[in-house]
Amino acid sequence: EAGVVQSPRYKIIEKKQPVAFWCNPISGHNTLYWYRQNLGQGPELLIRYENEEAVDDSQLPKDRFSAERLKGVDSTLKIQPAELGDSAVYLCASSFKTSGTNEQFFGPGTRLTVL
Amino acid sequence: DQQVKQNSPSLSVQEGRISILNCDYTNSMFDYFLWYKKYPAEGPTFLISISSIKDKNEDGRFTVFLNKSAKHLSLHIVPSQPGDSAVYFCAASDWGYQKVTFGTGTKLQVIP
Repeated sequence: EAGVVQSPRYKIIEKKQPVAFWCNPISGHNTLYWYRQNLGQGPELLIRYENEEAVDDSQLPKDRFSAERLKGVDSTLKIQPAELGDSAVYLCASSFKTSGTNEQFFGPGTRLTVL
Repeated sequence: DQQVKQNSPSLSVQEGRISILNCDYTNSMFDYFLWYKKYPAEGPTFLISISSIKDKNEDGRFTVFLNKSAKHLSLHIVPSQPGDSAVYFCAASDWGYQKVTFGTGTKLQVIP
């Protein structure tokens, strides 16, 4: 079974530039999550999708962050414009809501460096 | 407001001995708890979980203990192996909502 795929793995940009991250979840997983992980911290939820609906985006900084999950499969997270404080690892995860375990499967993440 | 706390940022254990990783939580609404393991440059991978109706769950070398009255859980690894060296995240969720809150992680080093 293929895991969660994310691209790119690494991205270096200058502040005020836009950046986008892509995620392909595990086939059949209806729930998709985007997390941000700062150095020395645990992952923090940015947004959660159930199918194509964003059911929890309360932690997403909506002035500069946006996300979409077209057709309830792939998802894109965008930052525009990026700030120095956005440097972090952005993790995508997916789960099957009725699996009974709350287990989320994570991708390898995209490490963003904003200069 | 850190609702899930892992107060030990690092832990070193000799191979073959027991590793005990601790986690405390503050939100009484949490009723499902998970441990994730993370190697460098990889995403976290699920290790073991426990629901609030249990006080112990075991899977091979890994056992999670839950003390609801103390709002405390721990992960025991016996015997510890060098391949267990990783960062371990404790996580908690409200089962119905499925939002998972992670702790800050404990870096375990198992010394051969």
